Amino acid sequence: DADVTQTPRNRITKTGKRIMLECSQTKGHDRMYWYRQDPGLGLQLIYYSFDVKDINKGEISDGYSVSRQAQAKFSLSLESAIPNQTALYFCATSDGEQETQYFGPGTRLLVL
Amino acid sequence: RKEVEQDPGPFNVPEGATVAFNCTYSNSASQSFFWYRQDCRKEPKLLMSVYSSGNEDGRFTAQLNRASQYISLLIRDSKLSDSATYLCVVNADNYGQNFVFGPGTRLSVLP
Repeated sequence: DADVTQTPRNRITKTGKRIMLECSQTKGHDRMYWYRQDPGLGLQLIYYSFDVKDINKGEISDGYSVSRQAQAKFSLSLESAIPNQTALYFCATSDGEQETQYFGPGTRLLVL
Repeated sequence: RKEVEQDPGPFNVPEGATVAFNCTYSNSASQSFFWYRQDCRKEPKLLMSVYSSGNEDGRFTAQLNRASQYISLLIRDSKLSDSATYLCVVNADNYGQNFVFGPGTRLSVLP
């Protein structure tokens, strides 16, 4: 079984809808991250969390919110989806020691 | 100037070729450096960390030049399976919240 899972894997939604992307991990890592990837651009950090009580904004947090329900779960919400939020979204974890980030398989989101 | 820049690519090389990718970063306070590999429509995976003294892992060699703020990745004896996008990643601090990803360089190894 994969160590970092994301649901859904693909999602089509309409402008203005609220949607949630979920991430779960079995690696036991405290640190979790949400990124988005657009064609031709590097991954951009949306939010990160170093433990259940610690949530921080990344470079492109506007229009997004997160919830760290448990050490193993980190959810990303788009409060009112807009077309320029169409992207590939990745969740990642790290243990903070080696700095290696382990990514989930990604969620492809299309906002119409 | 972007924080992390990479060769634009794509690189199309024959099997067995040696290929080098370059990456430059703008933040002189950057502490740690990595190369990740991303297959088409898949998640990035760590290829190797980059150490100050340079490091090698089989056919892959990474170099760091802090003075020039430059990182390189050399792949020798390219295999078809090396075809992927290679991402340069720089962490500007020790707290793990400032990983900056380059846009990636795509490599196609041709038979």
